[in-house]
Amino acid sequence: EDKVVQSPLSLVVHEGDTVTLNCSYEVTNFRSLLWYKQEKKAPTFLFMLTSSGIEKKSGRLSSILDKKELFSILNITATQTGDSAIYLCAATSGTYKYIFGTGTRLKVLA
Amino acid sequence: KAGVTQTPRYLIKTRGQQVTLSCSPISGHRSVSWYQQTPGQGLQFLFEYFSETQRNKGNFPGRFSGRQFSNSRSEMNVSTLELGDSALYLCASSPQTGGVMNTEAFFGQGTRLTVV
Repeated sequence: EDKVVQSPLSLVVHEGDTVTLNCSYEVTNFRSLLWYKQEKKAPTFLFMLTSSGIEKKSGRLSSILDKKELFSILNITATQTGDSAIYLCAATSGTYKYIFGTGTRLKVLA
Repeated sequence: KAGVTQTPRYLIKTRGQQVTLSCSPISGHRSVSWYQQTPGQGLQFLFEYFSETQRNKGNFPGRFSGRQFSNSRSEMNVSTLELGDSALYLCASSPQTGGVMNTEAFFGQGTRLTVV
């Protein structure tokens, strides 16, 4: 059965710290890996990765995919309290669905 | 462009009742997916529709059903509600062109369902 596993489940850091969130997947006919940020209700899209080894960046956030080892990481540098959220990772396959992990709850303390 | 709209935002129902949730996708998006989110379980896939056809269904009992209309709006229905159905129900639309899921999904604010 297809699955996506995220670690750690939760994380508490101080402003200015750098964090690395992990996402591993076992998905048949893997197509892409997506990252979302969920602050209250609606997850908002961060990155979509399809190629191995190519880093995607947006401000202080960056992500990379390793299709050989079947994982992705999301890095957040110089964290701010506004980064506090649940970060969700999802994989797509040829089965018309997004397969989500349980998420990493990040709390950034001032 | 308006985002994904879900109604109602909050709902309280009694065990045994049924409920219908609505989702209006972003204009032009033909793929609509539904997810159930509970603490510790992440987003659990319910079903996906494209051009009024259900292309995939998750591992939920038959009490959970859905449909999509010709304007891409979608509804999901839960019959004979149980306490365990209390959750945030999220709808997502994506600009799929008919093939595999090769774009990001855009989520609505969700419907918070509480079963008492």
